[in-house]
Amino acid sequence: TQLLEQSPQFLSIQEGENLTVYCNSSSVFSSLQWYRQEPGEGPVLLVTVVTGGEVKKLKRLTFQFGDARKDSSLHITAAQPGDTGLYLCAGVRGAQKLVFGQGTRLTINP
Amino acid sequence: NAGVTQTPKFRVLKTGQSMTLLCAQDMNHEYMYWYRQDPGMGLRLIHYSVGEGTTAKGEVPDGYNVSRLKKQNFLLGLESAAPSQTSVYFCASSYSNGQPQHFGDGTRLSIL
Repeated sequence: TQLLEQSPQFLSIQEGENLTVYCNSSSVFSSLQWYRQEPGEGPVLLVTVVTGGEVKKLKRLTFQFGDARKDSSLHITAAQPGDTGLYLCAGVRGAQKLVFGQGTRLTINP
Repeated sequence: NAGVTQTPKFRVLKTGQSMTLLCAQDMNHEYMYWYRQDPGMGLRLIHYSVGEGTTAKGEVPDGYNVSRLKKQNFLLGLESAAPSQTSVYFCASSYSNGQPQHFGDGTRLSIL
C-alpha cells in the first residue's frame, strides 16, 4: 500500500494544453515536496509546501497543499516539451523519513 | 559544484557476486540516504545515516549493508547479489531530516 498515491501514473498531452497531477494520502504531512526527474538523472527539487492551503507558483507550474495537509496538486499551464519528465511528490511526517509517491510520468508532445 | 556523486554509473553482476556502490557529497550534509527506484514504485528507502558513524534501516534493507566512516561518503554494499536487486540506485543527502534532498544521477545495476 502506497502512503502517497499519485494520479495519473502516466499522462501524454499536446503542447499548449493544461494539466493537473494529484498527490493524495490519508495521512497528515508536516510538509510536502515536489521533484522532477529526467531520464538518466536524479530527482531535482521543484518546491516545498508547508502550510495547509498554501499555493506556490514556479513560472507556469502551480503547486497547492491541501487545507488538511493530506494532499497536494501540481498544475501546469500551457505545457511545453521541456516539461516532460517524471514528477514525484514526497511527504514528511514528523521525525519520520521522506516518503515518495510512485510518480507521474508526463510526456508533452510537440 | 559536484553535489552528490555516485560511482559506478552502470554495473552488471552475476547472482551471488558482491559489490559496493560509492556515494560522495561535498555539501557538508549530515544526512545521507540510499534509495532504489523500480518501475511504478517510486523511490524506496534502503538505509540512511544521520551523521558520520551512524546508519539505520529504511523500508527495504534486506540484502544490503551500508557504512558511513566519513561524513562525505556513504557506501552501499550487496553481499550476495540476487536478480531481485536489479534496479536503479540513488544516493541523496540533506542538511537535516525533512529538508530537501539532493540526489546523485544514479547507478543502474543489473543482476543476471
